[in-house]
Amino acid sequence: SAVISQKPSRDICQRGTSLTIQCQVDSQVTMMFWYRQQPGQSLTLIATANQGSEATYESGFVIDKFPISRPNLTFSTLTVSNMSPEDSSIYLCSVGEFNEQFFGPGTRLTVL
Amino acid sequence: QKEVEQDPGPLSVPEGAIVSLNCTYSNSAFQYFMWYRQYSRKGPELLMYTYSSGNKEDGRFTAQVDKSSKYISLFIRDSQPSDSATYLCAMSDRGSTLGRLYFGRGTQLTVWP
Repeated sequence: SAVISQKPSRDICQRGTSLTIQCQVDSQVTMMFWYRQQPGQSLTLIATANQGSEATYESGFVIDKFPISRPNLTFSTLTVSNMSPEDSSIYLCSVGEFNEQFFGPGTRLTVL
Repeated sequence: QKEVEQDPGPLSVPEGAIVSLNCTYSNSAFQYFMWYRQYSRKGPELLMYTYSSGNKEDGRFTAQVDKSSKYISLFIRDSQPSDSATYLCAMSDRGSTLGRLYFGRGTQLTVWP
C-alpha cells in the first residue's frame, strides 16, 4: 500500500490567518482526497484532487476557503484560509489505489 | 438522517472477548464496505474491504454485510489490548479508487487485560 506523509503534523494558528498542509505519497497515484475529522463527527470529504485538473469540492466546501493544488502525481496541498475556531479539526489526505483508500497520519489544527 | 449510522460507544471488553461492531446505512447504492481502525492521534488504517453482501474473514476479524437489511458488522475474536482503538465503518457506491467514502462516526473500543 502507498505510504503517505503529511506536514505539519499539528499546528496552532491565530484566527484570520491561513495554513497550508502538504501531502506526500511514495508512489504515483491518480486520485487524492482531502478529508476533515471534527471532534465527535464522522470523517467528511472536502474535495477530490486529480493531477492536471481543478479539484472537485463537496457540498459545503468552497475553493476560496480550501484551495487545493495537485502539481504532480505524488503531491498535493490543502490550504485552510481565513481561519476561525470552527476550522479546528484534523485534516487528512488519502489516496485511491486498487479499489482501496489509504490515509495519511493527519494534521491536527487548532485555531485560537 | 445520516447516510451511515454507527454507535460511538465507548465499548469496553475484557481480553479474549468477542467484539461486535455494527453500522447501518440508508443508501441502497452502496456496494463497497470497509472497516478502518484508528489509533489515537493516527490516521485511519484499512482493516477489511468487502464488495456487496456476504462474509469475509481475515485472521481474528470477520466482516459481514447484509444489504437487504442495510447492516454491516465487524467481529473481533479473541480480542487483545492492542485492538483498543476507534473502529470506523465506511462505504462507497463506486469502484476503482472508491471515490467519496461515507463514514460512520466510529466506535471507541477498549480491551482491558
